[in-house]
Amino acid sequence: AQSVTQLDSHVSVSEGTPVLLRCNYSSSYSPSLFWYVQHPNKGLQLLLKYTSAATLVKGINGFEAEFKKSETSFHLTKPSAHMSDAAEYFCVVSPNTGNQFYFGTGTSLTVIP
Amino acid sequence: GAVVSQHPSRVICKSGTSVKIECRSLDFQATTMFWYRQFPKKSLMLMATSNEGSKATYEQGVEKDKFLINHASLTLSTLTVTSAHPEDSSFYICSARSRRSGNEGQYFGPGTRLTVT
Repeated sequence: AQSVTQLDSHVSVSEGTPVLLRCNYSSSYSPSLFWYVQHPNKGLQLLLKYTSAATLVKGINGFEAEFKKSETSFHLTKPSAHMSDAAEYFCVVSPNTGNQFYFGTGTSLTVIP
Repeated sequence: GAVVSQHPSRVICKSGTSVKIECRSLDFQATTMFWYRQFPKKSLMLMATSNEGSKATYEQGVEKDKFLINHASLTLSTLTVTSAHPEDSSFYICSARSRRSGNEGQYFGPGTRLTVT
């Protein structure tokens, strides 16, 4: 069975400080993992993806995530938050055997000026 | 590359009418397309998966007679909400997967905001 848990429904950080959005997954197979960002009333934009290559994945806009199999985690980080990072972030797991995407419930990121 | 479009971006319809939403892969052939529904401040809920030329597979709890999905070509899938009611108001998002993308992921459209009055 596949599932994703985003541990924080809402995260608030000050501009210029680090961002940490947490994600834990459960998968019966070697999964692919993704982070997507959604700005208000917009579609989903892929930030980064892990597909069994390097465990530290670098994405767009300075985001990165580390796949830790022992901890079944795929936390998203950014060294310095920017106002434009305020959005909803979704962690997604997909088993390598199929099409299915399993979405986490999302984390709303607020950046305080 | 890998652009997915949706049309319309917003639609308002009266209760009891039907509305069609189109999802197109602009620069690749989409062997599989997915339709999601997103409620305000909630995650995406997969409604159905459609493969070109075959019937859609609906998730449990999704009424296939109410949400008609057609995937007639490798670049187009349509979702028709029949006899719409106010509770059908939502943000509908499609995504597409190409023959070559493997499990690299799905490419998402920008979404369609449906409001039923």
